[in-house]
Amino acid sequence: EIQLQESGPGLVKPSQSLSLTCSVTGYTITSGYDWSWIRKFPGNKMEWMGYISNSGSTNYNPSLKIRISITRDTSKNQFFLQLNSVTTEDTATYYCARYDGLFDYWGQGVMVTVSS
Amino acid sequence: DIQMTQSPASLSASLGETVTIECRASEDIYNGLAWYQQKPGKSPQLLIYNANSLHTGVPSRFSGSGSGTQYSLKINSLQSEDVASYFCQQYYDYPFTFGSGTKLEIK
Repeated sequence: EIQLQESGPGLVKPSQSLSLTCSVTGYTITSGYDWSWIRKFPGNKMEWMGYISNSGSTNYNPSLKIRISITRDTSKNQFFLQLNSVTTEDTATYYCARYDGLFDYWGQGVMVTVSS
Repeated sequence: DIQMTQSPASLSASLGETVTIECRASEDIYNGLAWYQQKPGKSPQLLIYNANSLHTGVPSRFSGSGSGTQYSLKINSLQSEDVASYFCQQYYDYPFTFGSGTKLEIK
């Protein structure tokens, strides 16, 4: 069974970087599909942030392009999100998900609060 | 970006009723639309893709329709386990964008 699990700090200070890990089990991330980050803000608005493909290329939402980086560690079957220069507006629940035209497997999500 | 306008924001219906949720795209998305269900405290689950194709394991009381810029999700014979938030998502063009969600409750 394919499972994705997010992990990372639940509290980040403004201007710092947010770093999250998505650990994937049941499927090797280099075998296929793209591996995405999506966030859900308080108030329920959802935003696709970007993905890293099975070959390692990336595609980012232009609204985040100067602040975001998605990388991976294939030896651990993990991929990562780094979002720089965060503000309180980055407070959200962050999800990782598998993408192949649509998001068919999601992690449980991790709530991240940006606050001093 | 393609804007997705979803309505209603909330919906209350009785068990056994049929409910419909609408999503309007700001431009033609050529059926590149998915619907997701998210129960409280859980991750989103894919229901419908390509506007009208039922994802594996999803009960047949869920159906999707539409074309162009107008799409809808219909739930027949509402069950208690259908209490959730529902949202649409276009994948026709980058960046992928989502509707604002519909919270479904049982009367």
